Amino acid sequence: KAGVTQTPRYLIKTRGQQVTLSCSPISGHRSVSWYQQTPGQGLQFLFEYFSETQRNKGNFPGRFSGRQFSNSRSEMNVSTLELGDSALYLCASSLHPDSYEQYFGPGTRLTVT
Amino acid sequence: SQELEQSPQSLIVQEGKNLTINCTSSKTLYGLYWYKQKYGEGLIFLMMLQKGGEEKSHEKITAKLDEKKQQSSLHITASQPSHAGIYLCGADPTGNQFYFGTGTSLTVIP
Repeated sequence: KAGVTQTPRYLIKTRGQQVTLSCSPISGHRSVSWYQQTPGQGLQFLFEYFSETQRNKGNFPGRFSGRQFSNSRSEMNVSTLELGDSALYLCASSLHPDSYEQYFGPGTRLTVT
Repeated sequence: SQELEQSPQSLIVQEGKNLTINCTSSKTLYGLYWYKQKYGEGLIFLMMLQKGGEEKSHEKITAKLDEKKQQSSLHITASQPSHAGIYLCGADPTGNQFYFGTGTSLTVIP
């Protein structure tokens, strides 16, 4: 079974631009969560999607948004990029929405200049 | 995450030595998860503890959950270079968001 895939793996953007990151979960997994990892703040929860609905959202500004498609694939978008948005963005999938036995992708490393 | 504090922050051990990593929660724990991350990569699920007093083992890694102390420990026996990485505990104490611990960086010297 293929693992969680994330595209692109690396991205360099300029302040003020927007970016879209993509995540394909493990086949059969319907819950997808996104996390931001930085050296200063560690791993922080962004949001969780199940059946195309956002179930939970972390403490991030509205510039961070996401969505999930009917095939469980998910995208997250960050608008008006700031230098502080530079981070490793990790996507994780799980079988059920209340399961934290999550399977992570390799991440997308975003650098904002 | 302030909800989950891990200690120590980093650990350097000689191959073959035993070690323990602790994870303490500021809120009641209803379950706790352990993950491992190789530097700059995604996380790997290690194990899940759901009941107070529960203990689980996988290969040379053993984790325990002490609900009364709101604490979990992860013990590695006879460490190997393959054990190197960042260990993270995680939990959802509020029922609506998964928190990761502050992380413990483990280096194993051959």
